[in-house]
Amino acid sequence: EVQLLESGGGLVQPGGSLRLSCAASGFTFSSYAMSWVRQAPGKGLEWVSAISGSGGSTYYADSVKGRFTISRDNSKNTLYLQMNSLRAEDTAVYYCAKDLATVTTSWYFDLWGRGTLVTVSS
Amino acid sequence: EIVLTQSPATLSLSPGERATLSCRASQSVSSYLAWYQQKPGQAPRLLIYDASNRATGIPARFSGSGSGTDFTLTISSLEPEDFAVYYCQQRSNWPHTFGQGTKLEIK
Repeated sequence: EVQLLESGGGLVQPGGSLRLSCAASGFTFSSYAMSWVRQAPGKGLEWVSAISGSGGSTYYADSVKGRFTISRDNSKNTLYLQMNSLRAEDTAVYYCAKDLATVTTSWYFDLWGRGTLVTVSS
Repeated sequence: EIVLTQSPATLSLSPGERATLSCRASQSVSSYLAWYQQKPGQAPRLLIYDASNRATGIPARFSGSGSGTDFTLTISSLEPEDFAVYYCQQRSNWPHTFGQGTKLEIK
């Protein structure tokens, strides 16, 4: 079955760190760019970060640049998001998402995980 | 950063009616625009990409049009399962951005 499963969310204090993981199955993980998209409670979608299939190219939203790091381990079919210096405004459900295309990255997302909730609060 | 503005914020219609949702970009995104549907408690689902291409498995009642700065998602005849929140997304420029969403509710 083609799926993405996020983990690693939880409650963290402001200034703290958390690492999210996204386990992929059912497709050739290394062939696809991957992204993280978040959604604050009751709010809309916000693109957070993206990484190419090889991991050689990474991209970040200005709101997380310098604090978050995206990475992937293609041998483990797993995507990561290391989140440091967390703020209250980072509170959200974090989704990992798979790119629609393989040969030429589309940067559209045709497969999403169920999300993992990150709560930043003291 | 390209800002996507969706209108209306809320659209109240009845099953069987036609829905027209708008997404306007602050600068041209060519045809690099997608539409997603999100139901409560679920992840988003890709409906349309590159402005007018239906994703795999998406019913023909969903169609997208537009280019440059003005885009439209049309649902030709609403089914009960279509009532949800719809988002547009551009991939023309980094950072890739989403619109704020249009909630399609049952009248």
